Amino acid sequence: EPEVTQTPSHQVTQMGQEVILRCVPISNHLYFYWYRQILGQKVEFLVSFYNNEISEKSEIFDDQFSVERPDGSNFTLKIRSTKLEDSAMYFCASQDGYRRTDTQYFGPGTRLTVL
Amino acid sequence: AQKVTQAQTEISVVEKEDVTLDCVYETRDTTYYLFWYKQPPSGELVFLIRRNSFDEQNEISGRYSWNFQKSTSSFNFTITASQVVDSAVYFCALSGGSSNTGKLIFGQGTTLQVKP
Repeated sequence: EPEVTQTPSHQVTQMGQEVILRCVPISNHLYFYWYRQILGQKVEFLVSFYNNEISEKSEIFDDQFSVERPDGSNFTLKIRSTKLEDSAMYFCASQDGYRRTDTQYFGPGTRLTVL
Repeated sequence: AQKVTQAQTEISVVEKEDVTLDCVYETRDTTYYLFWYKQPPSGELVFLIRRNSFDEQNEISGRYSWNFQKSTSSFNFTITASQVVDSAVYFCALSGGSSNTGKLIFGQGTTLQVKP
């Protein structure tokens, strides 16, 4: 069964450093998302991406964040200068493009720890 | 604005008991979708069910059942004869609207602990 994959599973970085989180969505999906979950809290929407551009972003997704689909398979989230409060689990999700409100399937997550 | 409320923060039951997880949502959209996801201790988010606003038929899948009531804006989830493997955090989520990009609005989650 196709699945969303994410690498790395755990990333430890120093405050102020840049990190890139990688995702490989399900191959025939067209809508891509990033969410984050601070430890013990709910899952929060960050950004949605369709047709090589951001379709919606939340207030959390400020200028420090960017997303890219550099080739036909990868979908990346970059944080330019990490802060302590960026420590969280980051989930990538993808969705069949046939109907925008179809089910989103999530990757296993990347746990980001900022020291 | 859209909002999902899961008032039960934690529930603890003994194996084989039935348990219901509550979900109440708010939206002004006439077309919307409701979801339940399971987050086991390993951390991933596992899709359980998707329901659209036009389909109020209850659904049963094995030991799982869902009760969708538009009149009370609720989408409750019942596990029958709970098992230890059901221990997880369960999230209810909402998306919808003709102009919506499909983003999910999650509730705070309910931690279910099933004791042997």
